[in-house]
Amino acid sequence: GAGVSQSPRYKVAKRGQDVALRCDPISGHVSLFWYQQALGQGPEFLTYFQNEAQLDKSGLPSDRFFAERPEGSVSTLKIQRTQQEDSAVYLCASSFQAGYEQYFGPGTRLTVT
Amino acid sequence: AQSVTQLDSQVPVFEEAPVELRCNYSSSVSVYLFWYVQYPNQGLQLLLKYLSGSTLVESINGFEAEFNKSQTSFHLRKPSVHISDTAEYFCAVTRYNQGGKLIFGQGTELSVKP
Repeated sequence: GAGVSQSPRYKVAKRGQDVALRCDPISGHVSLFWYQQALGQGPEFLTYFQNEAQLDKSGLPSDRFFAERPEGSVSTLKIQRTQQEDSAVYLCASSFQAGYEQYFGPGTRLTVT
Repeated sequence: AQSVTQLDSQVPVFEEAPVELRCNYSSSVSVYLFWYVQYPNQGLQLLLKYLSGSTLVESINGFEAEFNKSQTSFHLRKPSVHISDTAEYFCAVTRYNQGGKLIFGQGTELSVKP
């Protein structure tokens, strides 16, 4: 398909485990965003890439969170030593360029037990 | 810092009735404004956006929103809702020079009943 895809769609992790969440943006989209959506809340910004450069990581809640986009296409959000408060839906979005409309993926629902 | 406030967490309404979902934002600089919709078990979809120009913007499915700079509001309206409009609606804002990072409100759950 032509949309943003994310995998896995659901992830259950035991507290303390590391997880990796993948995002495939729309082909040709320069900008890529990660958001975290807790239950009953609006999405909250985590980090932003333009091509392979991470231009803003001000929303990452702790140094356990790490994101990369090494070739300017696929991105991975890694969470180390997961905690219960990390349970949320993680959304990825891409846009043609900065400031253009963002297209969202279906999200990865992470549950930490 | 910017923030977005959606004044109603839930809005129940009967089919064919009008509806208004309220959104206020705070920002010291010029912004772009958006409404996103999230249908049950689906991802976020852009409903409409205000970038510049006419302060009244419309979507293809009958929703409209009006940018009011003096009241820092961007309320979403529809004159007659359908059952299929049942969804979560999010208002969002971004600053001109922030690369597009969106600040979202907490969402309003619109529930349309027959």
